Amino acid sequence: ETGVTQTPRHLVMGMTNKKSLKCEQHLGHNAMYWYKQSAKKPLELMFVYNFKEQTENNSVPSRFSPECPNSSHLFLHLHTLQPEDSALYLCASSQGWISGTKTYEQYFGPGTRLTVT
Amino acid sequence: DQQVKQNSPSLSVQEGRISILNCDYTNSMFDYFLWYKKYPAEGPTFLISISSIKDKNEDGRFTVFLNKSAKHLSLHIVPSQPGDSAVYFCAASERGGADGLTFGKGTHLIIQP
Repeated sequence: ETGVTQTPRHLVMGMTNKKSLKCEQHLGHNAMYWYKQSAKKPLELMFVYNFKEQTENNSVPSRFSPECPNSSHLFLHLHTLQPEDSALYLCASSQGWISGTKTYEQYFGPGTRLTVT
Repeated sequence: DQQVKQNSPSLSVQEGRISILNCDYTNSMFDYFLWYKKYPAEGPTFLISISSIKDKNEDGRFTVFLNKSAKHLSLHIVPSQPGDSAVYFCAASERGGADGLTFGKGTHLIIQP
């Protein structure tokens, strides 16, 4: 069983819909991330949360809205998306900062394949 | 502008031989480098990493080499096995693990029987 789970695995939505992606980590980590992978492009960082605080927003449009209610759960709320937002959305977690010690390895979930029609 | 580049979209290697995957970077602030492996319909899986204070790190069949002056790293897999067929991503980080990673586009490794 993977330490990071994502639901749903596949999602088709219209441009006027509102939907949410969910991520849960069972690794006791303190940092969580959203990445986007579009066709023929590298994974792109979207948001970073450390100890439930958003520490990075990588110039993501406001139609993507993250929420981190606790260190184990991360949501990505979607509204009025565009067809070009169709992509694989990946969640990851890491230990984050622990008493100033750096930890780099991030562990990924299986992703949500999003199609915007 | 891509800060992490994997210039070979695909690589085919005979089973039992050495696979060498290459990665170049442009950001001199990167201080940690990672390799991830990805199978279809799965998320990337962490494989091996190296700090910028080292030039080599080895873990079983996998060895990563870092040449800081050339801003180049490589992943060696020896011997290559059929289960190694996957997409391999090079990633880099600066300022610590709480920041996000910058990824390359990936190299699709195909191990031929």
